[in-house]
Amino acid sequence: AQTVTQSQPEMSVQEAETVTLSCTYDTSESDYYLFWYKQPPSRQMILVIRQEAYKQQNATENRFSVNFQKAAKSFSLKISDSQLGDAAMYFCTYRGGMNAGNMLTFGGGTRLMVKP
Amino acid sequence: GAGVSQSPRYKVAKRGQDVALRCDPISGHVSLFWYQQALGQGPEFLTYFQNEAQLDKSGLPSDRFFAERPEGSVSTLKIQRTQQEDSAVYLCASSPTGTPQETQYFGPGTRLLVL
Repeated sequence: AQTVTQSQPEMSVQEAETVTLSCTYDTSESDYYLFWYKQPPSRQMILVIRQEAYKQQNATENRFSVNFQKAAKSFSLKISDSQLGDAAMYFCTYRGGMNAGNMLTFGGGTRLMVKP
Repeated sequence: GAGVSQSPRYKVAKRGQDVALRCDPISGHVSLFWYQQALGQGPEFLTYFQNEAQLDKSGLPSDRFFAERPEGSVSTLKIQRTQQEDSAVYLCASSPTGTPQETQYFGPGTRLLVL
C-alpha cells in the first residue's frame, strides 16, 4: 500500500517570504501522480499543483513550485512571495496510474501560518 | 457553474441513530469519491463510483457504511447505528472522467458529530 508522510505538522512564514513544505511517499508503482491540495479554514479543498511521475521537469504554477525527486520519493512544495491567503492546511497527495486504485492517498497535512 | 455541494453541512446524531449524507457532484462528472477526514488528519478514502457503478468500496470501515449513486449523479452515504468513532468530516469529490491525472473537485464536507 502507498503511504504519504508529511513530517512538518506546522510551518510559519513571514508575508512575502518563501517557505518549503516537505513530503515523502512510498510506492512500488512506476506510474503515478502527485498533488498538493490546499484546505483553507472552513473552506473547500482545492488543487494547488500536480506532478506526473514520468515527467522529469518540476511543475510550476505561478508562485507555487515543486521539487520532485523520484529516486528519493520526495515531493516538496515551495511557495514564493507568501501571501496571507496562503494560510491553510496543505496536503501532499498520491494517486496511482491507470491500473491502480482510483483513490487519492493523503498525507497528514502541514498547517501553514503566514505572519503579516 | 456550481461546484460540488453537500448536505447537511452539520449533523449531530445520537449514538445508534442512522444518518444519510448527500453529495451533488458537478454536473456531468462521471467519477465520484467519498472520503472521511478525522479531526487534524488527512482525508481517507471510503468509496468510488464511476457513473452508477460502485467500483471500489475498500475504504468503508464497516458494514454499517453504505453508499449509493443510483442514477449516476447524486450520491448518498448512509451510516447505520452510528458510533462515536464515526465523528468526522465526510468529504465528497467529483472528477470529469476519473483518469488519474485529473483534478478532483471537493465539496465543503458534512461535519458529523455522534454523541
